[in-house]
Amino acid sequence: AQKVTQAQTEISVVEKEDVTLDCVYETRDTTYYLFWYKQPPSGELVFLIRRNSFDEQNEISGRYSWNFQKSTSSFNFTITASQVVDSAVYFCALSPSQGGSEKLVFGKGMKLTVNP
Amino acid sequence: EPEVTQTPSHQVTQMGQEVILRCVPISNHLYFYWYRQILGQKVEFLVSFYNNEISEKSEIFDDQFSVERPDGSNFTLKIRSTKLEDSAMYFCASSRTRQETQYFGPGTRLLVL
Repeated sequence: AQKVTQAQTEISVVEKEDVTLDCVYETRDTTYYLFWYKQPPSGELVFLIRRNSFDEQNEISGRYSWNFQKSTSSFNFTITASQVVDSAVYFCALSPSQGGSEKLVFGKGMKLTVNP
Repeated sequence: EPEVTQTPSHQVTQMGQEVILRCVPISNHLYFYWYRQILGQKVEFLVSFYNNEISEKSEIFDDQFSVERPDGSNFTLKIRSTKLEDSAMYFCASSRTRQETQYFGPGTRLLVL
């Protein structure tokens, strides 16, 4: 069975602070994909990143960076110099890259509030 | 940039009524999905659809639910007899292939009274 755990449920920071969102996953699949999605207050789900389990290189995109560590089954997301517009619920998700299942398994989400 | 669209954005219905939620996936995508999110909870998979048939469904997707691709662009989710616990945000998603990223629509917020 697949499982995604986002232990933090809510974080509040002040603008310009750095913040890291934790994600730990469980899967028996040897190959899989990991994702982060952002859900702003308007409610839509915005795709942020997808990583293949074979690719453990960390990735940086502007103020966003992701740290994938297969040894600890973690895929953490850091926002540098946070802004008020980063306020949202962030979901980590997992799907197999092979086999019959196509579904995304989501964590419970982490609500980030960035205060001015 | 192509987007998944969903209509209506909000729907209020009485318990026991049928509802149809509509989605227009991204045009060159072949895989379609429905997920739901009960208020304040995580996003849960309902069903995936490919080549005009269901390829996978969750235990939530019981006989009250059905999906259809009535034409070349729309993808619908029907709930035959709504229950109070069906109140949720319903998201449609699509992907070009099974392995590629699923892109989500803005959701339909369903309230069953």
